[in-house]
Amino acid sequence: GAGVSQSPSNKVTEKGKDVELRCDPISGHTALYWYRQSLGQGLEFLIYFQGNSAPDKSGLPSDRFSAERTGGSVSTLTIQRTQQEDSAVYLCASSLVLADGANVLTFGAGSRLTVL
Amino acid sequence: KQEVTQIPAALSVPEGENLVLNCSFTDSAIYNLQWFRQDPGKGLTSLLLIQSSQREQTSGRLNASLDKSSGRSTLYIAASQPGDSATYLCAVITYKYIFGTGTRLKVLA
Repeated sequence: GAGVSQSPSNKVTEKGKDVELRCDPISGHTALYWYRQSLGQGLEFLIYFQGNSAPDKSGLPSDRFSAERTGGSVSTLTIQRTQQEDSAVYLCASSLVLADGANVLTFGAGSRLTVL
Repeated sequence: KQEVTQIPAALSVPEGENLVLNCSFTDSAIYNLQWFRQDPGKGLTSLLLIQSSQREQTSGRLNASLDKSSGRSTLYIAASQPGDSATYLCAVITYKYIFGTGTRLKVLA
């Protein structure tokens, strides 16, 4: 596609429910990243994928958070047993190859999650 | 562990002023540095990307400089306008982006 597409754009859920957030990267981009931005906070790195593998998942805040990527394309971020502190905007980004001196990330518009 | 700090956290200025936003980072082993703006409830808009071999980049009224050895970057905004009001974020780039804490700018008409 023309850009990084994320769905849903907005999600309201009840505490304790599971949610799935989806990211469609730019076609052909091998690197995919997830970030989180809580209210009034900066952007926090969660995980990145190179192809279907995740060499760095150091930013996932707890074992309730998981992510997968299939076919080197679409990625899903899953949050189990959501808590109110999970409320945030979840941003996905992709790049042709791993972000380095020559490649930069293109960010999606984000998925806003509200946990009641 | 890389830490990126932006000063000031918030800034309010009258229209027309020239201003400087600061970004500092603790590990100089970076590839690039990028400045973004973020409007309330919106995504990121890339402003300027400075590659490690460069020392500055300019776009219109914006100028960004990078001094890797001292771990600092500055974003200079000339002749500020109310439309410049937003949060400005810097990000240092290795294989991933590490974002700064942001500066909330308000330009008063």
